[in-house]
Amino acid sequence: DAKTTQPPSMDCAEGRAANLPCNHSTISGNEYVYWYRQIHSQGPQYIIHGLKNNETNEMASLIITEDRKSSTLILPHATLRDTAVYYCIVSPGDQTGANNLFFGTGTRLTVIP
Amino acid sequence: DTAVSQTPKYLVTQMGNDKSIKCEQNLGHDTMYWYKQDSKKFLKIMFSYNNKELIINETVPNRFSPKSPDKAHLNLHINSLELGDSAVYFCASSSRTFVGANVLTFGAGSRLTVL
Repeated sequence: DAKTTQPPSMDCAEGRAANLPCNHSTISGNEYVYWYRQIHSQGPQYIIHGLKNNETNEMASLIITEDRKSSTLILPHATLRDTAVYYCIVSPGDQTGANNLFFGTGTRLTVIP
Repeated sequence: DTAVSQTPKYLVTQMGNDKSIKCEQNLGHDTMYWYKQDSKKFLKIMFSYNNKELIINETVPNRFSPKSPDKAHLNLHINSLELGDSAVYFCASSSRTFVGANVLTFGAGSRLTVL
């Protein structure tokens, strides 16, 4: 079952920052926030994940609120190739691999030229 | 080199046939998965194997049988194919040594069409 709520769609102008929100008000203490995206006709692609602190990598930044009930994925300079469905997922960071990542409906981000 | 490779990429077959989809990963990961994405684009886990041992088996018909000959391979065999099996099947892998271990690397998908 979905533990996250995301807007179904968003638009962003090319070159601008894309800020994708996610609500996860029932997140447990041992659950991480993961972001994946799926570009049309491709397999899902891992973007970033975090537990409590904000995280940044070469693809994006993840801002998690202090109460951990919501987060925002930031693509700093969106390009046309960032057009995709973005999934926010919460799941324990269990190292057995026994946890089911639940992909909800995600947010369809369209980057506009 | 492709990290997670699936074959075939496209598969068109008749109802009642038996077919297999193969998956191989060269990342040294110890956990592999099969996901199914239906026509409504919902992506759902089917199976998870850790070091050749089945650890997740969601509610999937017995006609679906995963086989893991070694930790680098996870094949999916489907018996008596039905129209509802038409979907895109994604293989994925992850490493249990990575903190926050649900970092999955997915293959490009295998589109199965049952006529």
